[in-house]
Amino acid sequence: GAVVSQHPSRVICKSGTSVKIECRSLDFQATTMFWYRQFPKKSLMLMATSNEGSKATYEQGVEKDKFLINHASLTLSTLTVTSAHPEDSSFYICSAETGSNEQFFGPGTRLTVL
Amino acid sequence: GENVEQHPSTLSVQEGDSAVIKCTYSDSASNYFPWYKQELGKRPQLIIDIRSNVGEKKDQRIAVTLNKTAKHFSLHITETQPEDSAVYFCAVSGGYNKLIFGAGTRLAVHP
Repeated sequence: GAVVSQHPSRVICKSGTSVKIECRSLDFQATTMFWYRQFPKKSLMLMATSNEGSKATYEQGVEKDKFLINHASLTLSTLTVTSAHPEDSSFYICSAETGSNEQFFGPGTRLTVL
Repeated sequence: GENVEQHPSTLSVQEGDSAVIKCTYSDSASNYFPWYKQELGKRPQLIIDIRSNVGEKKDQRIAVTLNKTAKHFSLHITETQPEDSAVYFCAVSGGYNKLIFGAGTRLAVHP
């Protein structure tokens, strides 16, 4: 159990375009999902907490207008990187919380902005 | 806010030896402490966790110990195997169920 999917796994886009990443909990309902960013050989940096039916809570230094988060259902959260630039290139990973603190991660999305 | 420190950053052991990774945290109210294993290019996988009402938890070759007074917890891997080679992250629940991660430990197990 506790399977989380993420789509797409890899995306290459031109500077200035927007990219949407989907995170789904496949076998459980997740009231809370989290979005992380991971640079090469670095730890996971929490970007925002996504709560079903309410606005996301962003960590300090993360631009909410740049990284739009929508959590429309108990099994789906989306992250949209708006007007992407090369410095947004990174590995983005979502996680879903089971309700007892346990977080299970999606496989990640590698974003490359040209 | 919560601050998590993890040591060592790299660890190299011979197959069959034990490996120990330690983490310290700052917020005494933290009550959930998971460990994740991440192989190159893959998702972090939860391998073991412990809650603040327990001092030790074991699952086959993996164990975690927690010292709430000293605010540190450790991951112990016994009888290491080459497939244990990966990056290991400790994390601490920092309020609103957020996890604050340590910097990671790159473990290499040599045959």
